[in-house]
Amino acid sequence: RKEVEQDPGPFNVPEGATVAFNCTYSNSASQSFFWYRQDCRKEPKLLMSVYSSGNEDGRFTAQLNRASQYISLLIRDSKLSDSATYLCVVNIASGNTPLVFGKGTRLSVIA
Amino acid sequence: DAGVTQSPTHLIKTRGQQVTLRCSPKSGHDTVSWYQQALGQGPQFIFQYYEEEERQRGNFPDRFSGHQFPNYSSELNVNALLLGDSALYLCASSLSQTQYFGPGTRLLVL
Repeated sequence: RKEVEQDPGPFNVPEGATVAFNCTYSNSASQSFFWYRQDCRKEPKLLMSVYSSGNEDGRFTAQLNRASQYISLLIRDSKLSDSATYLCVVNIASGNTPLVFGKGTRLSVIA
Repeated sequence: DAGVTQSPTHLIKTRGQQVTLRCSPKSGHDTVSWYQQALGQGPQFIFQYYEEEERQRGNFPDRFSGHQFPNYSSELNVNALLLGDSALYLCASSLSQTQYFGPGTRLLVL
């Protein structure tokens, strides 16, 4: 079983749509959780950290369920500029330790 | 403030050759991690350097080695290149938990 698993893509949605990405992780001792965004042929960039209480940043909402080992990202009112690959990322220990990435889910927002 | 920089941006090598990739971290960052991202996959952790020593290592063979210099910059060396080493090599720098990625070096092995 892979350490971090994500929905297979791609997701093709019209502008204005709401889209949800799901992710599960296998190591129950995992400490920190993130969503990174990666544009084509570019480096991953931190989109947001994910906390147990849930967190929101504009049109983006991230949720963490430790009991189910499940992470989600919701994008409301999709924009063309949201088209990218979204990577679910887990840090299995506290502090400055290696990140474990999912395979990523590609999103295409269509006009 | 410059972000993480990497060089070269692109590289073409042949099987059996050796390659050295370079990374300069963000100002003030003391930890450098290297990742390999094959096409269609998420990045995979290679190793991490802190205080000029390899602190952690992922599941990569000894052909992959590295170094960190006193100014915190780092090199990744790969010996005896295989076709399967073709990938985007990403460097990430950090001071605490958040890792910031450089633009990567795209390596093609023919």
